Amino acid sequence: DIQMTQSPSSLSASEGDRVTITCRASQSISSHLNWYQQKPGKAPKVLIFAASSLQGGVPSRFSGSGSGTDFTLTISSLQPEDFATYYCQQSYNTPYTFGQGTKLEIK
Amino acid sequence: QITLKESGPTLVKPTQTLTLTCTFSGFSLSTSGVGVGWIRQPPGKALEWLALVYWDDDKRYSPSLKSRLTITKDTSKNQVVLTMTNMDPVDTATYYCAHRRQNSNYVNYFDYWGQGTLVTVSS
Repeated sequence: DIQMTQSPSSLSASEGDRVTITCRASQSISSHLNWYQQKPGKAPKVLIFAASSLQGGVPSRFSGSGSGTDFTLTISSLQPEDFATYYCQQSYNTPYTFGQGTKLEIK
Repeated sequence: QITLKESGPTLVKPTQTLTLTCTFSGFSLSTSGVGVGWIRQPPGKALEWLALVYWDDDKRYSPSLKSRLTITKDTSKNQVVLTMTNMDPVDTATYYCAHRRQNSNYVNYFDYWGQGTLVTVSS
């Protein structure tokens, strides 16, 4: 299985901050990397697919970059509704493994 | 509009078999490229990918759970069924089904999810 490691596991930030979450794959996955946002009690929602493609309807303050083994999700200016848990997922090989999650909390 | 909804028991006993049904609308599982997957999430923990069935009936499973999982599709009913045998309390989780999309560069992602169903394993 391809292991996905996110950092940090948790993050405190303030509204308006720029935030970056990283995800590292245990082997090269090209650009087969997706980012999801999950709020408490809700299903995950895809934000970014193929490492850098913004899903329709997702605000442009979200962006993704990277290829190979190292990827980042950046939120350019945090909004109140962005406080949630974020997961990366590789879809290069099955099983399509997820990272352990990054909980973004209000400072 | 694509929607998915999971259904099944909320409580199962240890050693029993869990059967979950994903009923969907807005797409057909006979259309080339389409897939439906199952993902679970124990309370307070991360997401875990379980299984995926493709339009051509190709099936993929998590290696760690493969011996216990079976995924099937019923295209006429717009349903995907996941069975998991020999349930254990550690299998307590919210189980989600999701629509798998493939982009032009063959990257797969889950773009629509069901609301999830919490399954508790306890005697």
